[in-house]
Amino acid sequence: SQQGEEDPQALSIQEGENATMNCSYKTSINNLQWYRQNSGRGLVHLNLIRSNEREKHSGRLRVTLDTSKKSSSLLITASRAADTASYFCATPEGGGYQKVTFGIGTKLQVIP
Amino acid sequence: EPEVTQTPSHQVTQMGQEVILHCVPISNHLYFYWYRQILGQKVEFLVSFYNNEISEKSEIFDDQFSVERPDGSNFTLKIRSTKLEDSAMYFCASRGQVGETQYFGPGTRLLVL
Repeated sequence: SQQGEEDPQALSIQEGENATMNCSYKTSINNLQWYRQNSGRGLVHLNLIRSNEREKHSGRLRVTLDTSKKSSSLLITASRAADTASYFCATPEGGGYQKVTFGIGTKLQVIP
Repeated sequence: EPEVTQTPSHQVTQMGQEVILHCVPISNHLYFYWYRQILGQKVEFLVSFYNNEISEKSEIFDDQFSVERPDGSNFTLKIRSTKLEDSAMYFCASRGQVGETQYFGPGTRLLVL
């Protein structure tokens, strides 16, 4: 089974609402990263949270990490139509070289 | 802010042809990666590169694939004889130190006909 799995796989909300996406993982990690991908485009890094951190804020984004539950969440507050994208969590693997493993992502649609 | 760049943005090739995808990682980074994403699927790891050699590769990265850092700034992925199933978005990524953020380029969309 996969290291990072996002939930839900699809989310549709009205502009101005908050969007919460969850990620679960299976093995111990030293950090977890969230990325955004607009349709057919590149991966934009949103945040990195380390295993000794519980919460990080960046503008309208809030990332939490619960290592005891092996889960993370990404909250987007006051969503905008431009937030429409797929969101992925990525966890490192492979010792020092640390490739990242992506889940299938949450496809967020923000309706104007 | 420094960024990873990739060229070309799109590449169309005939099956059996060789393609070379180009990447310029962030200048002070030490670890380099290629990933790919087949349309509608997950982003998959292909290969990592450190200290001028491959440090890890996936099952996808068979003998048809190779990577090179020819001049200390560019990082290339070569596919010797493309197959239809190589059609995908290919992402280059780089990272400074262990535990730091991995930054991705905008991708090259490869279409094999």
